[in-house]
Amino acid sequence: GENVEQHPSTLSVQEGDSAVIKCTYSDSASNYFPWYKQELGKGPQLIIDIRSNVGEKKDQRIAVTLNKTAKHFSLHITETQPEDSAVYFCAASINAGNMLTFGGGTRLMVKP
Amino acid sequence: NAGVTQTPKFRILKIGQSMTLQCTQDMNHNYMYWYRQDPGMGLKLIYYSVGAGITDKGEVPNGYNVSRSTTEDFPLRLELAAPSQTSVYFCASSPWGSGAPSYNEQFFGPGTRLTVL
Repeated sequence: GENVEQHPSTLSVQEGDSAVIKCTYSDSASNYFPWYKQELGKGPQLIIDIRSNVGEKKDQRIAVTLNKTAKHFSLHITETQPEDSAVYFCAASINAGNMLTFGGGTRLMVKP
Repeated sequence: NAGVTQTPKFRILKIGQSMTLQCTQDMNHNYMYWYRQDPGMGLKLIYYSVGAGITDKGEVPNGYNVSRSTTEDFPLRLELAAPSQTSVYFCASSPWGSGAPSYNEQFFGPGTRLTVL
């Protein structure tokens, strides 16, 4: 089955800096790659996603890039703010999001 | 819309006890999921359902059972609780297959923190 690896497990940045989180997946049939943000005591919430026919997608301060050849995708957050502090999960799906395999998560801390 | 609601928020069980974790969604989604999240780990799929009366196993189904008698409800049953089932349990629903623009998105409940001692 699909295996998703996520790095780093923790990331600390200064407010205003950029943050990058990377994921690799094993199944070349995967076609959908979402990123979820989990704030303390809450369930994960979708922040951005990308499909396999697109190389990059941007939404304000967040962007996701996908390299199908290398089987990796990344989340980029620019101009980080304290409210970006949370745990971020990447995931991959071979059936457009019905079944998700999650990475292990990255705890992002943005220091004021 | 309340979205996805889960009860209880917290529960402590003794080894061998049983309990049901409740999950309800009011978004008329056909697809529902149960995940467990162990400390410092990602979410692992326990069971899922594609509609009332239809359920299937995910990655880690052992020790759990589910049922789906209505579109809204998807309870998770733990029989003979073991310490290995100590975890945070999340229920999610999705409009997958509905044709909605955001059909891929899974909507998560706030979770149930379960401790088995």
